[in-house]
Amino acid sequence: GIQVEQSPPDLILQEGANSTLRCNFSDSVNNLQWFHQNPWGQLINLFYIPSGTKQNGRLSATTVATERYSLLYISSSQTTDSGVYFCAVASFSGTYKYIFGTGTRLKVLA
Amino acid sequence: EAQVTQNPRYLITVTGKKLTVTCSQNMNHEYMSWYRQDPGLGLRQIYYSMNVEVTDKGDVPEGYKVSRKEKRNFPLILESPSPNQTSLYFCASSLILASSSYNEQFFGPGTRLTVL
Repeated sequence: GIQVEQSPPDLILQEGANSTLRCNFSDSVNNLQWFHQNPWGQLINLFYIPSGTKQNGRLSATTVATERYSLLYISSSQTTDSGVYFCAVASFSGTYKYIFGTGTRLKVLA
Repeated sequence: EAQVTQNPRYLITVTGKKLTVTCSQNMNHEYMSWYRQDPGLGLRQIYYSMNVEVTDKGDVPEGYKVSRKEKRNFPLILESPSPNQTSLYFCASSLILASSSYNEQFFGPGTRLTVL
């Protein structure tokens, strides 16, 4: 099955700093999403981005499907950005299974 | 409000006592799925359903059952829970379009289960 690797596993930033989170996947995918899990455990949808580039406020994401990676950019980080960031992929060829990466744990310091 | 709901949100039970975690969505989504989240392992898919009466195994189905008798509901059943099923469980739903052009998953708030 598809393997998903996220890097870095942990990240500590000062408020106001920028960061880039990476998601590598081992095979072609039809679906790729980025989520933020806040300290209360809620999973918040950030981007649905199987290919291309999207932006939403201070966050943006780029997926290069042909090279099997996606990047999540966080600019001017805030303490409320703290939590775990997951990417999830699916390849709809035969099955409709989703595979999650193990996440990047981000802590933003005031 | 479009949402996925799960009940209960917290549950402490004992080994072997059958339990059901309910999941319901009001977005008319065809696809529904259950995941468990364990420290250091991310989320792993337990079962999914493409539509009513159509279910299939995810990566960690052992010890779980599901049913999809109505489009909006997808309960997760633990017939004989064991301590290794202590986990945080999430239900999710999405559309399944033929072109697979837009299949964003939406997640419920989670159910924290402890099996003693």
